[in-house]
Amino acid sequence: GQNIDQPTEMTATEGAIVQINCTYQTSGFNGLFWYQQHAGEAPTFLSYNVLDGLEEKGRFSSFLSRSKGYSYLLLKELQMKDSASYLCAVSSFSGYSTLTFGKGTMLLVSP
Amino acid sequence: DVKVTQSSRYLVKRTGEKVFLECVQDMDHENMFWYRQDPGLGLRLIYFSYDVKMKEKGDIPEGYSVSREKKERFSLILESASTNQTSMYLCASSSSGRAGYEQYFGPGTRLTVT
Repeated sequence: GQNIDQPTEMTATEGAIVQINCTYQTSGFNGLFWYQQHAGEAPTFLSYNVLDGLEEKGRFSSFLSRSKGYSYLLLKELQMKDSASYLCAVSSFSGYSTLTFGKGTMLLVSP
Repeated sequence: DVKVTQSSRYLVKRTGEKVFLECVQDMDHENMFWYRQDPGLGLRLIYFSYDVKMKEKGDIPEGYSVSREKKERFSLILESASTNQTSMYLCASSSSGRAGYEQYFGPGTRLTVT
């Protein structure tokens, strides 16, 4: 089976930096995705890591350690519009590639 | 831009009714997925399809079936709707291949079964 853990809620202040952690256990690991989901909207793709290390994309960065089963999403220079749920999803391959999602981390950015 | 559309944003059905949720994508993606999203449970995979007329069960297929007669269209069917199927239903599509290609999501259908 697959198990993905991430914190339920986090709060931060506008302009600050926040790190959202994700730990996972899976077989056939094929990469890790981060998605952003605003209330009432569809998830949108943020990042993808398949090799160990840091991937940077503007204000957002994502890190992966496959040996530790660990990833984090780093958000810099927080803005009010970053208030959303952040979903960690693990891709696994067993003939087909599917995603298993964590329950999401609700981030609230305050002024 | 990839576009995934779903037939309805909101739907209200009665217990026992047969319900069809439609999903269409315009990027010629081979793979299509149906999820449901519930508070505290996250996104859970119901069914997926890797080719026309192909289907595979996800983690929670009970009470659902699917149909994929054309590459761009993937339908989710609730044969006899029950109140525990009240949920947000999300369709997604992705390119094929062994690599974990990103999935593009539709806007979702919020289904209420009364």
